[in-house]
Amino acid sequence: AQRVTQPEKLLSVFKGAPVELKCNYSYSGSPELFWYVQYSRQRLQLLLRHISRESIKGFTADLNKGETSFHLKKPFAQEEDSAMYYCALSANGGSNYKLTFGKGTLLTVNP
Amino acid sequence: KAGVTQTPRYLIKTRGQQVTLSCSPISGHRSVSWYQQTPGQGLQFLFEYFSETQRNKGNFPGRFSGRQFSNSRSEMNVSTLELGDSALYLCASSPEGAGYTFGSGTRLTVV
Repeated sequence: AQRVTQPEKLLSVFKGAPVELKCNYSYSGSPELFWYVQYSRQRLQLLLRHISRESIKGFTADLNKGETSFHLKKPFAQEEDSAMYYCALSANGGSNYKLTFGKGTLLTVNP
Repeated sequence: KAGVTQTPRYLIKTRGQQVTLSCSPISGHRSVSWYQQTPGQGLQFLFEYFSETQRNKGNFPGRFSGRQFSNSRSEMNVSTLELGDSALYLCASSPEGAGYTFGSGTRLTVV
């Protein structure tokens, strides 16, 4: 069975500060990892997919299989980054067609 | 390109009734998934369909069922509603079964 843990329910930083949202997973096979973001009163949106190795809105995330982590980072937080962030895993490289979500981290960026 | 459309947006039902929720995926997307979102349990996978076939199912009772039509539109049905079924039900679509785009959801309240 797969599990995703986001240890921080709440994270508060000041504008311009670096931010790191932690995500750890438990899965022995080949995972596909995602970060989703939900801004206030908006739908859940895909932010990053680890196989894409992209930087979206200044955010990056690296899959560390040794530490089973997929932390989301941004060097300089902006107020518009305030949102709920969910880490998600799909097993078997995505071939089980199911996302297992963490409970989410609410990021607040203060002015 | 239109996004994932879910109808209705809001529903209020009485315990014991049944409900049907509808989802229209992005044009060309053949994979449709359903998730239940509650404050306590977070986002939980219900089931996934591709070309009218259910490929995976979550750990929900048999009262929860779904189907997909030949045009990829999907419906989910919950029979014999319980108070605990009150939740936001999210539909997501994907071309192949990963990197899902989510709809705005249907908020179901059971009284």
